[in-house]
Amino acid sequence: KNEVEQSPQNLTAQEGEFITINCSYSVGISALHWLQQHPGGGIVSLFMLSSGKKKHGRLIATINIQEKHSSLHITASHPRDSAVYICAVRWFSNNDMRFGAGTRLTVKP
Amino acid sequence: EPEVTQTPSHQVTQMGQEVILRCVPISNHLYFYWYRQILGQKVEFLVSFYNNEISEKSEIFDDQFSVERPDGSNFTLKIRSTKLEDSAMYFCASSAYEQFFGPGTRLTVL
Repeated sequence: KNEVEQSPQNLTAQEGEFITINCSYSVGISALHWLQQHPGGGIVSLFMLSSGKKKHGRLIATINIQEKHSSLHITASHPRDSAVYICAVRWFSNNDMRFGAGTRLTVKP
Repeated sequence: EPEVTQTPSHQVTQMGQEVILRCVPISNHLYFYWYRQILGQKVEFLVSFYNNEISEKSEIFDDQFSVERPDGSNFTLKIRSTKLEDSAMYFCASSAYEQFFGPGTRLTVL
C-alpha cells in the first residue's frame, strides 16, 4: 500500500527556534509537495520538489530520492508560522496525490 | 496575483439532495483537481481533469460524483445524492506546473 508518513504529528517551539518536519514515503514518486494549512482551512502550496533542495525566505525543503525522505525546515520560527504542514506525493504509477496526516506546528512567542 | 476561487464557501444540504460545488481555476492552467478533507482527517485526492476529461480518479470518486468544465472557466464537482459521510471540506486546485489551491467549500450534509 502506498503510504506517506510524517513526523512529528505535533510540534511546539519557541519563537526563533529552528524547526524540522519530516516526511517519508514508500515507493517511487514523480514529485513531492509541501503544503501549509491555516487554522481556517485554506491550503497554500509551499514547495514542489523532485530532487535536491529549494529555499523560499525562511523555508527550506530537501528531498533524498534514494532514501524516500523529505524534510521541511523553518529557520527563525515565528508565531505566524503556526499551522498544519502537509507532505503530499505524486506517485510514478499514477497521477493522483497522496497526503500525509500533517504536522501541527505551534510557535509560541 | 491570480488565485483559485471557490463558491459557495459553505453549503448545507439535506441527505439525498444534489449539490454542485464550483471552482474558477487560474486562467492559463490546464490541470484541475478536486480534493476533500473530512474534519480531523487527511486531505484525500478525488479526481484530476485535463483536456476536458478525467485523467485520474480515486476509489472515493464513485458514480455519485461527476466533474465538468461547462464553460471554459468554471470547474464543477457534482454530488448526485449526498450522504452524511460526504460532509467535508472540498478543495479545488489548478496547475500549470505547481498546484494552487482554492479556499475550499465546507459541505455539511444533514
